[in-house]
Amino acid sequence: GAGVSQTPSNKVTEKGKYVELRCDPISGHTALYWYRQSLGQGPEFLIYFQGTGAADDSGLPNDRFFAVRPEGSVSTLKIQRTERGDSAVYLCASSPSGPSTDTQYFGPGTRLTVL
Amino acid sequence: KQEVTQIPAALSVPEGENLVLNCSFTDSAIYNLQWFRQDPGKGLTSLLLIQSSQREQTSGRLNASLDKSSGRSTLYIAASQPGDSATYLCAVRFMEYGNKLVFGAGTILRVKS
Repeated sequence: GAGVSQTPSNKVTEKGKYVELRCDPISGHTALYWYRQSLGQGPEFLIYFQGTGAADDSGLPNDRFFAVRPEGSVSTLKIQRTERGDSAVYLCASSPSGPSTDTQYFGPGTRLTVL
Repeated sequence: KQEVTQIPAALSVPEGENLVLNCSFTDSAIYNLQWFRQDPGKGLTSLLLIQSSQREQTSGRLNASLDKSSGRSTLYIAASQPGDSATYLCAVRFMEYGNKLVFGAGTILRVKS
């Protein structure tokens, strides 16, 4: 079956611009996660959704970052007034539910470059 | 702050060799530990998930062990092949943090033919 998909695969933008990154989770998965991975590092947690609500947004670095999941399926990560330090690969993952035992399935990521 | 550390940062071995990748974590109160593989420019592929009540998991040539009390996990790869070349990431779900995964920085593995 289809895995987690993310669009676009690459995004180049200029400093100060607004960007949206999209994630389509595996069908039926209620839990959705966003992570950010900088070069040479492991992914860092940004936000976790259970259904439509953000159950944990403690990883969002500041108020320029916001994510939504209005119908409990597709999610959009929104970054306002982008900065060069926002350049990274943004990864999305989903799992069947939110309990502690489930594997997270990752998408291929969106590589964001802020010039 | 809970952390995950992976050693070595990079490893190069000849084809056919058995190898061990190490992962350590700062708190024994965990839900589970997961090993992932990441190929250049790609997302993460889950290899093995070990629940906190388990000591090891096996899949083909891969075996992962978990020692919660010492805060350690190892990923054993038997009879390595050039196709095993990738970055291997260890991720822990700490009870303190709920559902998010905390990742190590990874081990870059190169298997030479």
